[in-house]
Amino acid sequence: DSGVTQTPKHLITATGQRVTLRCSPRSGDLSVYWYQQSLDQGLQFLIQYYNGEERAKGNILERFSAQQFPDLHSELNLSSLELGDSALYFCASSVKTSGVTGELFFGEGSRLTVL
Amino acid sequence: GENVEQHPSTLSVQEGDSAVIKCTYSDSASNYFPWYKQELGKRPQLIIDIRSNVGEKKDQRIAVTLNKTAKHFSLHITETQPEDSAVYFCAASKPGSQGNLIFGKGTKLSVKP
Repeated sequence: DSGVTQTPKHLITATGQRVTLRCSPRSGDLSVYWYQQSLDQGLQFLIQYYNGEERAKGNILERFSAQQFPDLHSELNLSSLELGDSALYFCASSVKTSGVTGELFFGEGSRLTVL
Repeated sequence: GENVEQHPSTLSVQEGDSAVIKCTYSDSASNYFPWYKQELGKRPQLIIDIRSNVGEKKDQRIAVTLNKTAKHFSLHITETQPEDSAVYFCAASKPGSQGNLIFGKGTKLSVKP
């Protein structure tokens, strides 16, 4: 158990819909990262938050947005869903502040299926 | 931005043999290179990492080597066991990137008993 909690574990929805994925980081971790894992595409970095503020953006579509709340949990919002958005979405957390990069602790992922 | 290429995409070895997975990165400023193991249906987990001030690091049957000049790093697993079967991801990160990792596309390792 990494200490990172993601909900829901599985989600099936239709094209055009909107979903919200939730992540609670490990106790004490200030950074939250979102990654998308599609078949044969590895882990694509989407976005990072640190203590409530957006710190880095990767290949995140404009239809996707995220935020980190004062209690440090984070939500990833996916809207106008397309078939190609079907993937496993991982949240990860780390202790990292502005110093040396360290280990990312991943949650179990949220599997999104868009029909 | 940073790009990480990983080879091979699949690797099959006999139990007891060694396995080597190689990665190259594009940004010479990258200075942190972790390896993650993802078992089927599970989350990725860090197995070993190396920083740019070190050329090699070992942890029991696992070792990682780094060649900064060539911008590549490799994972070596010796005396492979069936439980080593998984997908392995290399990654790179550079200072100022806020810790986010750029991953390779993964290598599916199968260890046959």
